[in-house]
Amino acid sequence: EAGVAQSPRYKIIEKRQSVAFWCNPISGHATLYWYQQILGQGPKLLIQFQNNGVVDDSQLPKDRFSAERLKGVDSTLKIQPAKLEDSAVYLCASSLRGSGANVLTFGAGSRLTVL
Amino acid sequence: RKEVEQDPGPFNVPEGATVAFNCTYSNSASQSFFWYRQDCRKEPKLLMSVYSSGNEDGRFTAQLNRASQYISLLIRDSKLSDSATYLCVVNTNAGKSTFGDGTTLTVKP
Repeated sequence: EAGVAQSPRYKIIEKRQSVAFWCNPISGHATLYWYQQILGQGPKLLIQFQNNGVVDDSQLPKDRFSAERLKGVDSTLKIQPAKLEDSAVYLCASSLRGSGANVLTFGAGSRLTVL
Repeated sequence: RKEVEQDPGPFNVPEGATVAFNCTYSNSASQSFFWYRQDCRKEPKLLMSVYSSGNEDGRFTAQLNRASQYISLLIRDSKLSDSATYLCVVNTNAGKSTFGDGTTLTVKP
């Protein structure tokens, strides 16, 4: 079974620039998550999709972050404009369904450095 | 107060030692509980689920106390390969997974 694919693996940009991250979940997984992990902290949920609908985006800084999951498969997370504090690893995860018992499978992450 | 709190450590133990990690959560409506393991510069991976009756997987034992909103992980006979960050995870019934900040374990020869 192919895992969760993410790209790019690394990105360095200057503040106020924009960046986009792409995620392809495990085939058949209805639920997709984007997490932000800052060094020394646990992953923090940014947005949760169930198929192509948003379940939870309460912690997404909507003034600069946006995400979409067209056709309920791939997803893109965009940051515009980036700030220094956005330097982090952006982890995409998927699960079979969005129930309480679901287990997340993560991609390798996209490491963002904002200068 | 954070929804999921863990002792950050670090825990530095010799090979063969027994070590225990604790985690508390604030949402009494939480449904499911897990421990994930994260190696340096890698993604988190599921270590084990945590059941109300307690469960064991080889050298690892997880326990849940719903009344105290407390989860624990016990590692017996520590190996060098157990060195990692251990993340406590709490799920709501809508599938929202909230992670603690992790406890770092280093096992030394």
